[in-house]
Amino acid sequence: NAGVTQTPKFQVLKTGQSMTLQCAQDMNHEYMSWYRQDPGMGLRLIHYSVGAGITDQGEVPNGYNVSRSTTEDFPLRLLSAAPSQTSVYFCASSPNRGPYEQYFGPGTRLTVT
Amino acid sequence: GENVEQHPSTLSVQEGDSAVIKCTYSDSASNYFPWYKQELGKGPQLIIDIRSNVGEKKDQRIAVTLNKTAKHFSLHITETQPEDSAVYFCAASPPKDNFNKFYFGSGTKLNVKP
Repeated sequence: NAGVTQTPKFQVLKTGQSMTLQCAQDMNHEYMSWYRQDPGMGLRLIHYSVGAGITDQGEVPNGYNVSRSTTEDFPLRLLSAAPSQTSVYFCASSPNRGPYEQYFGPGTRLTVT
Repeated sequence: GENVEQHPSTLSVQEGDSAVIKCTYSDSASNYFPWYKQELGKGPQLIIDIRSNVGEKKDQRIAVTLNKTAKHFSLHITETQPEDSAVYFCAASPPKDNFNKFYFGSGTKLNVKP
């Protein structure tokens, strides 16, 4: 099993550009989440999904969109990048029902200039 | 929503000493408390967790204690080794509908000096 994979590993965007961060898992987990990690602030939940076709907002959803068309994939879209979105982004998955351990991907470091 | 506070933000210990990291939470409905270790350039990895019906859990050199009345939980690492150096995060998870959301502390950078 590859676990949770994320691409790209690094990305630099200009203000106003859009992009999609990719996340995939091969563990057949129902639950998937996106977090951002900023210095001194831990991890904050952006969006999450409890299954294909179902998504909901977390603590800091503004400026981000998600969709979940398959169990395996959970992409995060930045609609119009802003410098405040400079961060490290982690995708995580966990089995349904719980609470259960979350498995994190390796992260995407995004810089918006 | 849930608020998790973690202390200290940095901790430096000598190899072989013990390290203790403390967290408090605000939502009495939280029922799951994991601890994650994050090495440089990697994603967080679960090292130990505890559920609200248990007061203490041990796994070799690592232990977690939970005081539900006071709403705090702690991570204890004994006989620290240089490879324990990393950033550690606590989290609390209150149930919401059919999903347990996770709220993380701000992290503790542990440095174990050889």
